[in-house]
Amino acid sequence: QVQLVESGGDLVEPGGSLTISCEASGFTLSDYYMSWIRQAPGKGLEWVSYISGSGTSIDYADSVKGRFSISRDNAKNSLYLQMNSLRAEDTAVYYCARELYDYYDSSGFDDWGQGTLVTVSS
Amino acid sequence: QPVLTQSPSASASLGASVKLTCTLNSGHTRSAIAWHQQQPEKGPRYLMKLNSDGSHSKGDGIPDRFSGSSSGAERYLTISSLQSEDEADYYCQTWGTGIRVFGSGTKVTVL
Repeated sequence: QVQLVESGGDLVEPGGSLTISCEASGFTLSDYYMSWIRQAPGKGLEWVSYISGSGTSIDYADSVKGRFSISRDNAKNSLYLQMNSLRAEDTAVYYCARELYDYYDSSGFDDWGQGTLVTVSS
Repeated sequence: QPVLTQSPSASASLGASVKLTCTLNSGHTRSAIAWHQQQPEKGPRYLMKLNSDGSHSKGDGIPDRFSGSSSGAERYLTISSLQSEDEADYYCQTWGTGIRVFGSGTKVTVL
């Protein structure tokens, strides 16, 4: 069955860096767009970034543009998010999710991981 | 840019029905959306994709109690025969070129 498992969340000081990962199984990763979505404590869901199946199309929310970098390795069934210049407001549970996206239509995020917690604090 | 508006809360009695609303902004009123459920202390779970004509496709294992419908800019999620495990936050979500958008979520309380 489809599984998405995030890892790498940690406590990081403001201004620091961290890379989190998402390991996929049960489906062909290259067929799917993948996104990172985060949820600050007690808050709603916020989309962070997506990457197309081939990795050629990438975009970011304004709140992380220039600081975060998304990448994928389809051969390793893995998705990554490199986070630099971290701020207290980046503290959140980070989820990876997949979507089928083609010709400007989407399935929506049809499978989610369980999340990994990133805490930015001194 | 698409924007989704949801009411913060809704409630209904055990065994009753509740209808949640997600409203698309001007210029995006024909967009499809997806509905997601987030139970307390859990990750989100995909419920369905809902098109502007009211047709919808549900995720694997989603009970028949969950259904979707549409009218103009409004997208609805109806939960029938409410059960205690339906107490959760419900988010609508849509997409555009270069962006993915969530509504602010509706907290459903089962009385």
